[in-house]
Amino acid sequence: DIRMTQSPASLSASLGETVNIECLASEDIYSDLAWYQQKPGKSPQLLIYNANSLQNGVPSRFSGSGSGTQYSLKINSLQSEDVATYFCQQYNNYLWTFGGGTKLELK
Amino acid sequence: QVQLTESGPGLVHPSETLSLTCTVSGFSLTGYSVYWVRQPSGKGLEWMGRMRYNGDTSYNSALKSRLSISRDTSKNQVFLKMNSLQTDDTGTYYCTRARTGGFAYWGQGTLVTVSS
Repeated sequence: DIRMTQSPASLSASLGETVNIECLASEDIYSDLAWYQQKPGKSPQLLIYNANSLQNGVPSRFSGSGSGTQYSLKINSLQSEDVATYFCQQYNNYLWTFGGGTKLELK
Repeated sequence: QVQLTESGPGLVHPSETLSLTCTVSGFSLTGYSVYWVRQPSGKGLEWMGRMRYNGDTSYNSALKSRLSISRDTSKNQVFLKMNSLQTDDTGTYYCTRARTGGFAYWGQGTLVTVSS
């Protein structure tokens, strides 16, 4: 199975700051990567798919990049409503796997 | 619009079998695959298995020996059964559907507690 290693596990940032979250796949996943945001007590919400495509309705301050085995999620100008846990997920080989998550808090 | 709703017992005793139902609306089970994902309390997400649009199934290798997914297309329902439950199976169970990539639609989740 493909393993997804996400870093950092937790992150503290200030309002207006730019945040980067990384995800490393154990093998090439050919950009079959999604990013999710999950707030406490809520279901995950899709932010980015195909590594860099923004899901409808998601603010443009969110962006995704990467290829091969290395991917990242960038949040520009951090807002208070961005406090959440973020997960990456690969869907390349029909055995979907998630990263361990990054908990984002305000400094 | 697309909706998925999980339902289940809430409490399951150790060694017993969990049975969950995902009822969908706004799309056909013969046109889209439905996936099950779980989340132990305070932890990460784990893909469990898939009911493909054509009726085929696939499972997480770590759960395959205990897990079965089926469906009733006439009732727009997908079923999950997992046997030999233990306390570390406690968590929230979601059904979800993909769109162009990734899981775009999620149910609200159903909390399952494994306890005697």
